[in-house]
Amino acid sequence: GESVGLHLPTLSVQEGDNSIINCAYSNSASDYFIWYKQESGKGPQFIIDIRSNMDKRQGQRVTVLLNKTVKHLSLQIAATQPGDSAVYFCAENGASDYKLSFGAGTTVTVRA
Amino acid sequence: GAGVSQTPSNKVTEKGKYVELRCDPISGHTALYWYRQSLGQGPEFLIYFQGTGAADDSGLPNDRFFAVRPEGSVSTLKIQRTERGDSAVYLCASSLGPTDTQYFGPGTRLTVL
Repeated sequence: GESVGLHLPTLSVQEGDNSIINCAYSNSASDYFIWYKQESGKGPQFIIDIRSNMDKRQGQRVTVLLNKTVKHLSLQIAATQPGDSAVYFCAENGASDYKLSFGAGTTVTVRA
Repeated sequence: GAGVSQTPSNKVTEKGKYVELRCDPISGHTALYWYRQSLGQGPEFLIYFQGTGAADDSGLPNDRFFAVRPEGSVSTLKIQRTERGDSAVYLCASSLGPTDTQYFGPGTRLTVL
């Protein structure tokens, strides 16, 4: 079946470096994509989203890139900080608008 | 402002018992969702409410699971005859409307012994 997935389950990054987290999706009907951050024992926290009529969107220290040709989504975090250590999930809405499908997540560990 | 809240934060029950999990959405959000997250996995959709009605319950695993939202605000997820496989974190989310950003609560960790 079609699903959302992440390329790597873990990512270790030096504090101050930039992080790139990748996500592949296969549902060509998806038109809305979201990145969430989840810390241990907490619920997913919204980071940034992008719709399919865009290929790039920037927030505070984060940028999401969408490549519809190869069905690829990435999250870039600038100047990674210890507080960025968490599990990051990408999610897509398929064709439903509201029903989000999540990948398994990438665990980001920031080294001091 | 206040985010989505869920109670209890933890629930331990015995196999075969009935449990209720509560969700208080962000004020003014008409859309409410329940997801289930197993260890090491991403959340999985269970049910979506628009107002008081369950617009999509296709993610509920079987008829032991039921959810209500009688006044279009607070929602309760009900699980009958709990099984050990029901152990997971149950997450609630809400959004202004069905195409808007979903904001999640902290979840209820359910453990069935």
